[in-house]
Amino acid sequence: AQTVTQSQPEMSVQEAETVTLSCTYDTSESDYYLFWYKQPPSRQMILVIRQEAYKQQNATENRFSVNFQKAAKSFSLKISDSQLGDAAMYFCAYRPRLVFGKGTRLSVIA
Amino acid sequence: DVKVTQSSRYLVKRTGEKVFLECVQDMDHENMFWYRQDPGLGLRLIYFSYDVKMKEKGDIPEGYSVSREKKERFSLILESASTNQTSMYLCASSPGLGAVETQYFGPGTRLLVL
Repeated sequence: AQTVTQSQPEMSVQEAETVTLSCTYDTSESDYYLFWYKQPPSRQMILVIRQEAYKQQNATENRFSVNFQKAAKSFSLKISDSQLGDAAMYFCAYRPRLVFGKGTRLSVIA
Repeated sequence: DVKVTQSSRYLVKRTGEKVFLECVQDMDHENMFWYRQDPGLGLRLIYFSYDVKMKEKGDIPEGYSVSREKKERFSLILESASTNQTSMYLCASSPGLGAVETQYFGPGTRLLVL
């Protein structure tokens, strides 16, 4: 069965600094997709970034980028130039099996 | 923009009551999902639906049932609520059958069972 592990329950970062959230997963499938979702204190979860496993190039979305290492089954999220609005719970997710990690709570310190 | 709405943000029910949680999406999405979110456990899939009147069990279906009579509406039913069903319930939808497709989430319903 597929599993997704986020080993950091909580993280903090100074405003304007860079932070990396870790995610590892376990699967025997070769074709899959990985996502990072953000859940701000208002609770509506939104997509941050996604990565297709067959793509070698790491996905980027503005200040958000991933370090996807397929062999190591690692999918970390890097947030550059952190802003107060980045404070949220971040969930790593695997599809097609619809598995989410337990989340990392990110605090941003002004 | 995709909009997923849930009928209540907060709900308080008593043990043994039948509880209905409603979810509506306005973008003609094929897929709809129900998760529960608990601290330290992340999101766990309860049920999902790929089409009207179709449903599939997720990882924790026990104590729950679902109904999808119309494409835009997906209901989660707690036949006899118990205190261990106190949780945050999140509904989501996605456009089609592709695994790459993003899920869009509703704001959540925080259910307290006394």
